[in-house]
Amino acid sequence: AQSVTQLGSHVSVSEGALVLLRCNYSSSVPPYLFWYVQYPNQGLQLLLKYTTGATLVKGINGFEAEFKKSETSFHLTKPSAHMSDAAEYFCAVRSLGSSNTGKLIFGQGTTLQVKP
Amino acid sequence: DAGVIQSPRHEVTEMGQEVTLRCKPISGHDYLFWYRQTMMRGLELLIYFNNNVPIDDSGMPEDRFSAKMPNASFSTLKIQPSEPRDSAVYFCASTYTGGPGNTIYFGEGSWLTVV
Repeated sequence: AQSVTQLGSHVSVSEGALVLLRCNYSSSVPPYLFWYVQYPNQGLQLLLKYTTGATLVKGINGFEAEFKKSETSFHLTKPSAHMSDAAEYFCAVRSLGSSNTGKLIFGQGTTLQVKP
Repeated sequence: DAGVIQSPRHEVTEMGQEVTLRCKPISGHDYLFWYRQTMMRGLELLIYFNNNVPIDDSGMPEDRFSAKMPNASFSTLKIQPSEPRDSAVYFCASTYTGGPGNTIYFGEGSWLTVV
């Protein structure tokens, strides 16, 4: 079975500082990995995804993530935090496997606070 | 494209009442998902459909919950009777599985409060 663990339910950074949100996954087959962002009172918006190919993936709003198979990780980073980055971030794995279900399994989410 | 459209956006109802949430997926998408989000349990997959057929409803909490997809452009999630613990945000999402890396698109959610 696939699963996702996000380390740290709350992360606080200062504006301009590095953002690092951690995500580890468990999957018995090659995973497809996603980061979604949820702004207050809104739905989920895709930030970036890893399917195949280059392991460093760039997304919207200056975010990027690196797939590391050996570490089963897909951490999200941004070099310089902006106040508008304050939101909840979800890591998710989508693994078709033999059943070809295509469903997303989400982590518990990390709330990012950006301090001025 | 208008994206995944959900209605109502907000609903407040009394315990015991029937609640129906509606979803219009993105045109051409063949998978539709219903998720529930709560502070305690995070994002939970309730049920999903492929080509209008329910594939996995193991996440549906109990018999009070039911979901239907009568056609490719419409789905409902019904709670009858509703209880205060059903208060949550319910998200509908859809995707086209021409490839496993295809993005799953989410609606804006239906905020349900049962009092």
